[in-house]
Amino acid sequence: DVKVTQSSRYLVKRTGEKVFLECVQDMDHENMFWYRQDPGLGLRLIYFSYDVKMKEKGDIPEGYSVSREKKERFSLILESASTNQTSMYLCASSFQGLEGETQYFGPGTRLLVL
Amino acid sequence: AQTVTQSQPEMSVQEAETVTLSCTYDTSESDYYLFWYKQPPSRQMILVIRQEAYKQQNATENRFSVNFQKAAKSFSLKISDSQLGDAAMYFCAYTGNQFYFGTGTSLTVIP
Repeated sequence: DVKVTQSSRYLVKRTGEKVFLECVQDMDHENMFWYRQDPGLGLRLIYFSYDVKMKEKGDIPEGYSVSREKKERFSLILESASTNQTSMYLCASSFQGLEGETQYFGPGTRLLVL
Repeated sequence: AQTVTQSQPEMSVQEAETVTLSCTYDTSESDYYLFWYKQPPSRQMILVIRQEAYKQQNATENRFSVNFQKAAKSFSLKISDSQLGDAAMYFCAYTGNQFYFGTGTSLTVIP
């Protein structure tokens, strides 16, 4: 089974802090994604990566950056956390294959910015 | 741009009954995949079912089946013999060049 893990289930930070959210997958997937999930808005793509050291902006990249130094790890960085970044953050991974790039999700990190 | 629309924010079903969740999408691509994901309360998002656009036959996974109408760009999920464990948020998703999710349908199962 594919396993995607995220470093924290719950996180509380203060406005202006730098926040790191870590995601690790163990299935050698090429593709990794970061989403934020908000009620009534579904999942919105923040950033994705198709390979090590590669990154692409999604629909809402403002205020975020990412790092992918190793294939299995994809980090989301909030350079200066703001209250409007309070949300659920979901990491996912996939490979381009017969499954049509099915995404497998981590458990999510619920971030509260005070 | 591709979009995915779930017009039912909330649905409910009696245990053991059947419920259908609606999803429509907009695309100009001919080759794509469609998915239904399930997110139980405070639990991980998991794949329920997947449909390849080039396949005429509707996908089925046990009690879950889809009604895929390519010309109408419709992709509904039918849950038969609903169980309490089916209560969750359900997301419809599309992938062609990129992944797109709908806003979700919250399903309540009434004992």
